[in-house]
Amino acid sequence: EVQLLESGGDLVQPGGSLRLSCSASGFIFSSYAMSWVRQAPGKGLEWVTAISGSGDYTYYADSVKGRFTISRDNSKNTLYLQMNSLRVEDTAVYYCASRFRYSSGWFFDYWGQGTLVTVSS
Amino acid sequence: EIVLTQSPATLSLSPGERATLSCRASQSVSSYLAWYQQKPGQAPRLLIYDASNRATGIPARFSGSGSGTDFTLTISSLEPEDFAVYYCQQSRNWPPLTFGGGTKVEIK
Repeated sequence: EVQLLESGGDLVQPGGSLRLSCSASGFIFSSYAMSWVRQAPGKGLEWVTAISGSGDYTYYADSVKGRFTISRDNSKNTLYLQMNSLRVEDTAVYYCASRFRYSSGWFFDYWGQGTLVTVSS
Repeated sequence: EIVLTQSPATLSLSPGERATLSCRASQSVSSYLAWYQQKPGQAPRLLIYDASNRATGIPARFSGSGSGTDFTLTISSLEPEDFAVYYCQQSRNWPPLTFGGGTKVEIK
């Protein structure tokens, strides 16, 4: 059974840093691209960043480029999101999601339960 | 950036009725479009990929259609568990991957 389990969400002050983790199990982690998608309270879904299975390629939304870094440790089956210079508008539930393998498009079939990041003074 | 506009924002229907949800793209996304369902407190669930293909385990009452800029998600006969928020997402031209603003299907 595929499982994605996020952790690391917390309350942090504006300008602060946080690292999220997503532990994966039940599939060959290194074979699948992964993403982080966030959802502000009461709002819709917003794609944040993506990484290839090998970790060689990364992609970012303009809203987080230069502040957030996605990475992965395939030996540990873990995805990370390093978030620096956090802003109030980064407050959201952050989901990790795996790329759906049966399409050439980038869609997501497995999602974690989410971890809440709150940026507030 | 490709903008996806979903309509209506809210759809009030009764169980057993047919639901028709729309997603319009600001430029062609070919068939690189997916639909997700999200219930309160839960992660999104992939329903439809490549505009018209049902994901594994998705009931046949869910169907997707369209290509280019206009897409439709149809739920042929609403079950109680179908009342939720639905999002479309494109991956034709990215980054960024983009989602629509969502359509809430609520019980009338």
